This record gives sequence, structure tokens and C-alpha cells, in this order.
Amino acid sequence: DTGVSQDPRHKITKRGQNVTFRCDPISEHNRLYWYRQTLGQGPEFLTYFQNEAQLEKSRLLSDRFSAERPKGSFSTLEIQRTEQGDSAMYLCASSLSGEPYNEQFFGPGTRLTVL
Amino acid sequence: AQSVTQPDIHITVSEGASLELRCNYSYGATPYLFWYVQSPGQGLQLLLKYFSGDTLVQGIKGFEAEFKRSQSSFNLRKPSVHWSDAAEYFCAVVGVNDYKLSFGAGTTVTVRA
Repeated sequence: DTGVSQDPRHKITKRGQNVTFRCDPISEHNRLYWYRQTLGQGPEFLTYFQNEAQLEKSRLLSDRFSAERPKGSFSTLEIQRTEQGDSAMYLCASSLSGEPYNEQFFGPGTRLTVL
Repeated sequence: AQSVTQPDIHITVSEGASLELRCNYSYGATPYLFWYVQSPGQGLQLLLKYFSGDTLVQGIKGFEAEFKRSQSSFNLRKPSVHWSDAAEYFCAVVGVNDYKLSFGAGTTVTVRA
């Protein structure tokens, strides 16, 4: 068990560019979550998947954001036409399905800086 | 509105002293409650959780937390702090019919020698 991994760990981009992040969950976990964390704040929920189905999206997730989880394994989060306000740490987590209180295991995050 | 409040932004404690971090929640029904720790450059790690039963919950690294329904609180404690406990601590909740975590703003703990 190598835990949840995220790639890249850091991304610097210019405003208006598109970026894509990848998350590899723990292999037997059905659920996968994306959160965003800005400086001095706790993580905020963005979206989550049960297998390949995207079951919920936060209102924080504007039309410029899209997430996929093809085949129910890894997931990608794409941000189109990035804005400076998108600068944040993007966290991925995974958990077993079943009870809501099942532990969510977090990856190290991808830190995005938009210049 | 549902919310999680951590009233203390920053706490400084001496090594070997006790630590208590406060967490209050506002939810329609008692949610499931969690404490996570985030060290620099590390991912969030679960310290403990409450979902039913005994209101005093034991976790990893010598931490414990007590759920008090009457006060809508879930405070985290450690009797004797080690320098390695310096980190940011987040209280989080999941609603009874939900799966997403809602986090407080966090408390940064500094440990002085």
C-alpha cells in the first residue's frame, strides 16, 4: 500500500493557461474526493466519485473545472483558463465505500501558483 | 447553516505541557466528527474520529478527544506535548447522510523547548 499519490506536486502557470492534475488513490478504494485548500484555511470540498461516477460537485467548482475518473481508478482534475484566484493546494483523498465515517486518506497535494 | 469553528488560530505550548484544541460544530443532527493533523510538506493524517458509542475517543500519537453533545463540541487533548506535535490541526465533520468532509479553519500549534 503506497498511499494516495498526486502529480505534479507543484505547478506554476500563467493566467489563462490550462492545467491538469492527477490523483492515484489507494487501489481498493471506491471513493475518490477532491478538495482545495487556500492559505490559512481548511480544505474545501470540490467533488467526489464513487467508482467512475461523479456523484457530487460543489458550487465552488465553476465551469472551468472538470474532473474525471475513467475506469474507476486514477482521477484527473483540469482547470481551464486559470485565474489568479485558482492558486491553492489541490488535495485528493480516497476511501472505502460504505459508511460516511470511513477514513479518507489524503495525498500530499498539488500546489498551484497562477502568475 | 452548517459550520465547523476552531476558535484558536494559533496556540503555543511548551514541550511536556498539556494541549487542548477546541472545535465547535453547527449541524442539524449530530454529525460524524474527525480530527486531522497536517505537518509541513505532509498530507493530512487522521488522528481520531467519533461516530457512536463512548464519547471519549482515543487516537494515534497519544491524542484523545471528547464529544459533548450539549455543547456541540469535540475538543482534542494531549497530556504531554512533544516537539514533533508542532503542526496544523483540523477539526472536520461529515453529515449523517453525506460523504464529504467539512473542515474548520485549523489551529496552528507551535511547541517551544
